[in-house]
Amino acid sequence: DAGVTQSPTHLIKTRGQQVTLRCSPKSGHDTVSWYQQALGQGPQFIFQYYEEEERQRGNFPDRFSGHQFPNYSSELNVNALLLGDSALYLCASSLGITGELFFGEGSRLTVL
Amino acid sequence: AQSVTQLGSHVSVSEGALVLLRCNYSSSVPPYLFWYVQYPNQGLQLLLKYTSAATLVKGINGFEAEFKKSETSFHLTKPSAHMSDAAEYFCAVRGDSGYSTLTFGKGTMLLVSP
Repeated sequence: DAGVTQSPTHLIKTRGQQVTLRCSPKSGHDTVSWYQQALGQGPQFIFQYYEEEERQRGNFPDRFSGHQFPNYSSELNVNALLLGDSALYLCASSLGITGELFFGEGSRLTVL
Repeated sequence: AQSVTQLGSHVSVSEGALVLLRCNYSSSVPPYLFWYVQYPNQGLQLLLKYTSAATLVKGINGFEAEFKKSETSFHLTKPSAHMSDAAEYFCAVRGDSGYSTLTFGKGTMLLVSP
């Protein structure tokens, strides 16, 4: 049974560029949440997707956007990258918006 | 709004010694509380969770935590540390909206020496 899978595992971008990160949820899960973990910090909630709609959003600017597909997989897009966007981006899936979260291993983004 | 505070960014213990990682929470409603572990270059793994049942919660790898409402605490303990326990540990509280969204503490790095 595959767990939560994320791609790519590492990537490097320059300021002003755009990035797309991808997540496939654990088998049987229908909800995807995204978290940003800056170096030396705990994860911070970005947003949650259920039934292809954003259901909850944390305190992140509109440069951060997402999408959920009919197969429940999800993308996180970040536009106009800043140095401060460098972080580990974690995807978590759950069964429903109240289900227990299962985390992937993350995508590490470095912005130069 | 819910929040958690983890006391001590780093904790060092010797192998075989007691592990105690501290977490205090703030919540306007009865909280759901979690402890996660993160090994280097990996995601988060759930150690244990408190969901208003028994106040003493047992988790994986010999860890346990006790919910103390009077102290607003949810400290993580393990009687005897093992080298493989070296990792970063995060305490988290679930939001009061009913969603599974978590608010994490800043983490405590556990160092285990031989």
